[in-house]
Amino acid sequence: AQKVTQAQTEISVVEKEDVTLDCVYETRDTTYYLFWYKQPPSGELVFLIRRNSFDEQNEISGRYSWNFQKSTSSFNFTITASQVVDSAVYFCALKFSGGYNKLIFGAGTRLAVHP
Amino acid sequence: KAGVTQTPRYLIKTRGQQVTLSCSPISGHRSVSWYQQTPGQGLQFLFEYFSETQRNKGNFPGRFSGRQFSNSRSEMNVSTLELGDSALYLCASSLQGTGTTEAFFGQGTRLTVV
Repeated sequence: AQKVTQAQTEISVVEKEDVTLDCVYETRDTTYYLFWYKQPPSGELVFLIRRNSFDEQNEISGRYSWNFQKSTSSFNFTITASQVVDSAVYFCALKFSGGYNKLIFGAGTRLAVHP
Repeated sequence: KAGVTQTPRYLIKTRGQQVTLSCSPISGHRSVSWYQQTPGQGLQFLFEYFSETQRNKGNFPGRFSGRQFSNSRSEMNVSTLELGDSALYLCASSLQGTGTTEAFFGQGTRLTVV
């Protein structure tokens, strides 16, 4: 079975703090893809990153970084020096090789960044 | 390049009615997927269309259906609406039919059933 778990329901931080959002996934497939999306109050899901199962290299994009570890089935997302504009719900998602474009989402983590 | 467009943005319907939601994908994208988002169940996959064919279907009753046209635009229909169908319905557009591409989402249609 395919499953994504985001254990943190809500996180509250003060601006400029670093924050890490956890994501643990389950799949028996050897080829799969992991994603992070951001959902601001407007409702649209904004694509942040895609990671292939065969590429464990971590990635950094500005204040955002992602740590992919197959050994622990985790794909964590860190925001460095958080800003108020980072406030949103963040979703981790899994796409497996036999599922075409079907995304399996975690429950999401609501991040509130206070000034 | 225009993004994914969903219409209408908001909709209020009465129990027992039916509703049709529309999604125009990004130009050149051939895959369209639909998701239902509710506070209780989160984001759940409804179905995916690729080149006018439904390739994948989530665990929803037959009241939920969809179709895709030759220009890749897609519609989803919900018949005999129930209060529990109140949700944000999101459409996602992908370039290819394989899993290697990311999905881009529209702003959604917020359906309220009263």
